[in-house]
Amino acid sequence: NAGVTQTPKFQVLKTGQSMTLQCAQDMNHNSMYWYRQDPGMGLRLIYYSASEGTTDKGEVPNGYNVSRLNKREFSLRLESAAPSQTSVYFCASSGSGPYSNQPQHFGDGTRLSIL
Amino acid sequence: GESVGLHLPTLSVQEGDNSIINCAYSNSASDYFIWYKQESGKGPQFIIDIRSNMDKRQGQRVTVLLNKTVKHLSLQIAATQPGDSAVYFCALKEGFQKLVFGTGTRLLVSP
Repeated sequence: NAGVTQTPKFQVLKTGQSMTLQCAQDMNHNSMYWYRQDPGMGLRLIYYSASEGTTDKGEVPNGYNVSRLNKREFSLRLESAAPSQTSVYFCASSGSGPYSNQPQHFGDGTRLSIL
Repeated sequence: GESVGLHLPTLSVQEGDNSIINCAYSNSASDYFIWYKQESGKGPQFIIDIRSNMDKRQGQRVTVLLNKTVKHLSLQIAATQPGDSAVYFCALKEGFQKLVFGTGTRLLVSP
């Protein structure tokens, strides 16, 4: 009963390095999301994918790119990491339909530090 | 964008008490609301949701109340247990499946 799996769980990067965060879900969900969570703040949406083959910007997309590799997998890439991107990153997925109201289910996060 | 606020950053209760966590929102067009629980080192865990055509919904030991007139959402936890200690977030839907989260309330349960 895995749900949403994120790898790696922890990572330390140097400024300017690149990295891809991986996310996979086994719930046959159409929609997937990437959020970041900073201390004392709620989650902020970076990018989302309403269905396989589509991606859209969220609230804070600058400095990130995403790829919806297939229905199960949605990756987040930092091309040139900056200290401001130090955060905890969460991936989520939810059931289908633009007019459906279904909860998003989250992974346990990737804790990323950029020095 | 949507703004979501919480009345208290921290709520301390005794084990066995009932807990009430509040959330205010500003977008009257929101039609779907969710409460999440987040334990240390974990991702947000879905607790309960409610649609805008409802005022109240009950789950196991939890009740969500929605007052659309004053744009207020609350989560009630009955007979609070130490295992309920966590940060609780309200979230509401903005647009297609996009959720806007509040900043969270930390619930501390003392034995």
